[in-house]
Amino acid sequence: KAGVTQTPRYLIKTRGQQVTLSCSPISGHRSVSWYQQTPGQGLQFLFEYFSETQRNKGNFPGRFSGRQFSNSRSEMNVSTLELGDSALYLCASSLLGLNTEAFFGQGTRLTVV
Amino acid sequence: AQSVTQLDSQVPVFEEAPVELRCNYSSSVSVYLFWYVQYPNQGLQLLLKYLSGSTLVESINGFEAEFNKSQTSFHLRKPSVHISDTAEYFCAVSTFSGGYNKLIFGAGTRLAVHP
Repeated sequence: KAGVTQTPRYLIKTRGQQVTLSCSPISGHRSVSWYQQTPGQGLQFLFEYFSETQRNKGNFPGRFSGRQFSNSRSEMNVSTLELGDSALYLCASSLLGLNTEAFFGQGTRLTVV
Repeated sequence: AQSVTQLDSQVPVFEEAPVELRCNYSSSVSVYLFWYVQYPNQGLQLLLKYLSGSTLVESINGFEAEFNKSQTSFHLRKPSVHISDTAEYFCAVSTFSGGYNKLIFGAGTRLAVHP
């Protein structure tokens, strides 16, 4: 079966702009989680959506938001981009949530200039 | 606050040698434990997990990890490594805190296998 698909793979944006990243989970998976990976901070949990509802969240400012659609596809939005938002953004899907196996996409590499 | 500490940022080792990647966590509540592997320019792949039951868990490619509750550790081991094991390895803890489930990752250990 198809894996987790993230689009786009690479993105360059300017400070102050906003960006939307997309994640299509494995068919049948209802949980989608988002992570930010940077060399300095490592992997940090952003939030988790389950059945269109944000169920869990990490410690990121309100500029980071997300949503999940009825087909479980998820989008993450970052507004008013800062240079420090440059990172690899990873999406993971799982059948039931954070306590079960998560399957990761290849990520979207965002560069803010 | 919960945290995950991977004690070594880099581990160089020769091919066919044994290796241990160390992971300690801090949590006052029950946790689920995971090891993920990340190859260059790829996402993360689950290597193995501990949810309950036997404290020794194994993966299909020869890695194993042992959950030690008293030492709050979940070290990853392999008796004989291959060049293809070169990658970054992340230990992760899933726990419930502040009304939320959270998945917390360690900083990662870069395993470099040399011929």
